[in-house]
Amino acid sequence: QKEVEQDPGPLSVPEGAIVSLNCTYSNSAFQYFMWYRQYSRKGPELLMYTYSSGNKEDGRFTAQVDKSSKYISLFIRDSQPSDSATYLCAMSKGGGSNYKLTFGKGTLLTVNP
Amino acid sequence: EAQVTQNPRYLITVTGKKLTVTCSQNMNHEYMSWYRQDPGLGLRQIYYSMNVEVTDKGDVPEGYKVSRKEKRNFPLILESPSPNQTSLYFCASNDEKLFFGSGTQLSVL
Repeated sequence: QKEVEQDPGPLSVPEGAIVSLNCTYSNSAFQYFMWYRQYSRKGPELLMYTYSSGNKEDGRFTAQVDKSSKYISLFIRDSQPSDSATYLCAMSKGGGSNYKLTFGKGTLLTVNP
Repeated sequence: EAQVTQNPRYLITVTGKKLTVTCSQNMNHEYMSWYRQDPGLGLRQIYYSMNVEVTDKGDVPEGYKVSRKEKRNFPLILESPSPNQTSLYFCASNDEKLFFGSGTQLSVL
């Protein structure tokens, strides 16, 4: 079983839809969870950063972590065409730079006007 | 503005011709790393550096070299590139959070 599993999609939704992106993981030592957004041919950029279980909201984006189920989600409300990108989940055992990130393979999202 | 800058953005070369991809960060981060990204395989770490003169292998180091002589710079060296090193490469630096450069698309013919 891979450490981090992420459905590659592609996922296509109409503008204004609520988008749900998910990752599962197998290593219970993961404590820090991130979502990156990557536009085509660009570097990934950090979107959300959370520690342990719970929810974190930032504008139209909500990150959710359920450690008991080893499951993390990213919700995008009122999706916009500018949200079209690949979304990568990532996680690590610690919060400092010494801890290696393990990435999912990414989900390609298209928001249609 | 906090930045990780890598050059070139695009590079086409031939098998066996040595090349260097440069990377520089202006955030005074100690930790820097290189990744390659391939369809279906995702991001894979090539090498990382925890500080000046301290480097170590990541998940896919074969065929690559790095050096860290200054804190801000972390070049990636391909001594004898091969076609299986055709990929999209990212440099990154981090303290608590990881910041990526814009990428280098390398094609080895």
